[in-house]
Amino acid sequence: DGGITQSPKYLFRKEGQNVTLSCEQNLNHDAMYWYRQDPGQGLRLIYYSQIVNDFQKGDIAEGYSVSREKKESFPLTVTSAQKNPTAFYLCASSKSPGEGNTEAFFGQGTRLTVV
Amino acid sequence: AQSVTQPDIHITVSEGASLELRCNYSYGATPYLFWYVQSPGQGLQLLLKYFSGDTLVQGIKGFEAEFKRSQSSFNLRKPSVHWSDAAEYFCAVYSGAGSYQLTFGKGTKLSVIP
Repeated sequence: DGGITQSPKYLFRKEGQNVTLSCEQNLNHDAMYWYRQDPGQGLRLIYYSQIVNDFQKGDIAEGYSVSREKKESFPLTVTSAQKNPTAFYLCASSKSPGEGNTEAFFGQGTRLTVV
Repeated sequence: AQSVTQPDIHITVSEGASLELRCNYSYGATPYLFWYVQSPGQGLQLLLKYFSGDTLVQGIKGFEAEFKRSQSSFNLRKPSVHWSDAAEYFCAVYSGAGSYQLTFGKGTKLSVIP
């Protein structure tokens, strides 16, 4: 079945460590996104990518980094510069807006906790 | 910049009662509008979407939403709520026109009383 796979489901990080969250999609979508979700805050955009080898900062990119070496993959690294990384992270993908009607499809999320 | 407001943080309804969740957006042109639902600890599932055409759109699980340009609203409705509808609901706006910015409201948590 087509979809988006995020791993791991739960992740624990010690302070000062970098961690990488995985996101893979087999929907043949050009666009991919990373959102952060905190209670009562809705979803906030961290980074998005329109095409391979290109990505743009969203509203809260500080302390995060991404890469887009393959169409199917869009990993997110939470660096030690992110001072409050404990949150629920959601990856999404969509067709390019130029293709007309489009919607975002979401993975099941990764819950990151700093210990 | 586009924005989405969901005025109700938490709503409680009795099973079998009707439901309306409010959503107001701020965007100059006609936006693309979405409602998503999220169960605890899960990803988001699309309930319905509006791009153009008929302003009353039908979605999954018996939900519908009406786009009202004059009120900049896209309220979600269901005539009879089931206990399994308890979840958090998010309204989102997508400006289209080549933009990749999908902006979400802060969500409305729905509780259902048996």
